[in-house]
Amino acid sequence: QKEVEQDPGPLSVPEGAIVSLNCTYSNSAFQYFMWYRQYSRKGPELLMYTYSSGNKEDGRFTAQVDKSSKYISLFIRDSQPSDSATYLCAMTKTGWAGGTSYGKLTFGQGTILTVHP
Amino acid sequence: ETGVTQTPRHLVMGMTNKKSLKCEQHLGHNAMYWYKQSAKKPLELMFVYSLEERVENNSVPSRFSPECPNSSHLFLHLHTLQPEDSALYLCASSQEGGLAGVTDTQYFGPGTRLTVL
Repeated sequence: QKEVEQDPGPLSVPEGAIVSLNCTYSNSAFQYFMWYRQYSRKGPELLMYTYSSGNKEDGRFTAQVDKSSKYISLFIRDSQPSDSATYLCAMTKTGWAGGTSYGKLTFGQGTILTVHP
Repeated sequence: ETGVTQTPRHLVMGMTNKKSLKCEQHLGHNAMYWYKQSAKKPLELMFVYSLEERVENNSVPSRFSPECPNSSHLFLHLHTLQPEDSALYLCASSQEGGLAGVTDTQYFGPGTRLTVL
């Protein structure tokens, strides 16, 4: 079983729609939760970051975490064609290697979103 | 621009070639990472460097050899690659290494698109 599951889509919506992107995870050791956006031929860029259950809002974007259900979501309101990208959920836990600890980031597969005019 | 640059952006190499990927971060961060992104698969962590020390080799074949000469530069030396190694190779950096890295956000470069013939 993958540690992080994300529906790869693709998801196609009309401009102005509300978009809901979701991930589930199986390991309760994950502590911090992020959403990255990746445009074609670019590296991922951080959109949202949260560590507690509940909602966090930033403009048109809302990140939601439910640790009891091991479920995270990203909502995009009033979606725009410029939001068309791949959205990656990611979460961190402590990784260990050779007696040294570090923050280990685990990604979902990514959801391809297209917002058409 | 994320402050993390990668060169070259595209690379085509034969299975017997030796080449190197370069990453440079201009953010004053202490940790750097190599990831592999293949089609329809999540980003895979390859190597982690914290304060110029390698802290993680995530079961990567020896045909990939990382080098971190200082906290701003990271290289990935490639030799005798296989066609299945064709992918987007992403470099990332974060402020802290070690356990503090669990709370860190990682900033990604644009990636090197590698094709192995």
